[in-house]
Amino acid sequence: QSLLTQPPSASGTPGQRVTISCSGSSSNIGGNAVNWYQQLPGTAPKLLIYAINQRPSGVPDRFSGSKSGTSASLAISGLQSEDEADYYCAAWDDSLTGPVFGTGTKVTVL
Amino acid sequence: EVQLLESGGGLVQPGGSLRLSCTASGFNFSSSAMSWVRQAPGKGLEWVSAISGSESGTYYADSVKGRFTISRDNSKHTLHLQMNNLRVEDTAVYYCAKEGSISVTQYDYWGQGTLVTVSS
Repeated sequence: QSLLTQPPSASGTPGQRVTISCSGSSSNIGGNAVNWYQQLPGTAPKLLIYAINQRPSGVPDRFSGSKSGTSASLAISGLQSEDEADYYCAAWDDSLTGPVFGTGTKVTVL
Repeated sequence: EVQLLESGGGLVQPGGSLRLSCTASGFNFSSSAMSWVRQAPGKGLEWVSAISGSESGTYYADSVKGRFTISRDNSKHTLHLQMNNLRVEDTAVYYCAKEGSISVTQYDYWGQGTLVTVSS
């Protein structure tokens, strides 16, 4: 049972804005940075956002991250068909003294 | 170009052992912390183990502690995961991942994964 809770699914039409939440606690998101990963079907995860809101080189600026208290969010603006994937948040947990991943959200482009 | 290539997966019976390897290239391997992350079929990601660049620190998820051992050979740019006393619930794709330098759970490069199936 993951300590970081995400909605199982999210969807939108091309061009729309989609937001994915990641709910945690004071022992993880509340006190530590959050990273986001994109996993396209049949492939390995890819770093999408690190340190809450930083994009690695090559990640489109359509993707953005934020954090407030014990929750974090990933926003995809201008949704495109190639954004159809599973998305995971991740953070360090001080109580577990280890990394934890979110439950994952499947984004569907309608 | 950073590359991580896992090998060693396969079918093993419960209670058996398997050794995974991850060969790295394209970055300063000896100064990079590395991790293993697994994904059971149709499930989410689960961190398994990590090792510091200097090998001074090794870390394990409670679910594998005492059964798995992470190690590295910096001279060969290779990461290993020795898995003993395997259980059915260890069935998963195992990814090796390079840790970034900014955030603790920042895995900035991943291998393609190797499938471990534990079944009788």
